[in-house]
Amino acid sequence: DPKIIQKPKYLVAVTGSEKILICEQYLGHNAMYWYRQSAKKPLEFMFSYSYQKLMDNQTASSRFQPQSSKKNHLDLQITALKPDDSATYFCASSQLGVAETLYFGSGTRLTVL
Amino acid sequence: GDSVTQTEGLVTLTEGLPVMLNCTYQSTYSPFLFWYVQHLNEAPKLLLKSFTDNKRPEHQGFHATLHKSSSSFHLQKSSAQLSDSALYYCALSEGADRLTFGKGTQLIIQP
Repeated sequence: DPKIIQKPKYLVAVTGSEKILICEQYLGHNAMYWYRQSAKKPLEFMFSYSYQKLMDNQTASSRFQPQSSKKNHLDLQITALKPDDSATYFCASSQLGVAETLYFGSGTRLTVL
Repeated sequence: GDSVTQTEGLVTLTEGLPVMLNCTYQSTYSPFLFWYVQHLNEAPKLLLKSFTDNKRPEHQGFHATLHKSSSSFHLQKSSAQLSDSALYYCALSEGADRLTFGKGTQLIIQP
């Protein structure tokens, strides 16, 4: 059974629209992350959260907003979508600490037309 | 800031030959280093990570040695297998909140 669930697996959106990417983890971890993978920038760090609070943010655009309703949930809302946002978005989790292993979900592949 | 540089692009090898993927890093402190592997249409997963006591980590025939003097953590395997074909990422961690990944090396093992 997958321990980090991402929904949907594939997503097609039109330019200018808004989408929410869902992530739930059942590993009992206290930190969650979003990474983006595209041809231009493989595995780019976006956000890190712990206990529903933002720890670190590497995304310049305010169009990307993480949302955490529970400590094992970290959704990603993307507004005013652009074709350049097309990428695979990976949710990940870990125990908070130095050198802790990062576990990735299976990803949401977003295509913006 | 932190950065990781690894063998970029595509590396093609013949099955049975040794594998070496380079990784060097720049860091203000003494980071931990990792190798993650991503097979086609799958999520990245941990392959191995450095130890604090300088032991050489090994997994699935792969090993890597952290050399602080040269800021390197090269990935090696004595004999490549077809199933080793994947995208390999070197990454470093200084603090508790993120990993910084290199650009990835696509390894293709051919018969």
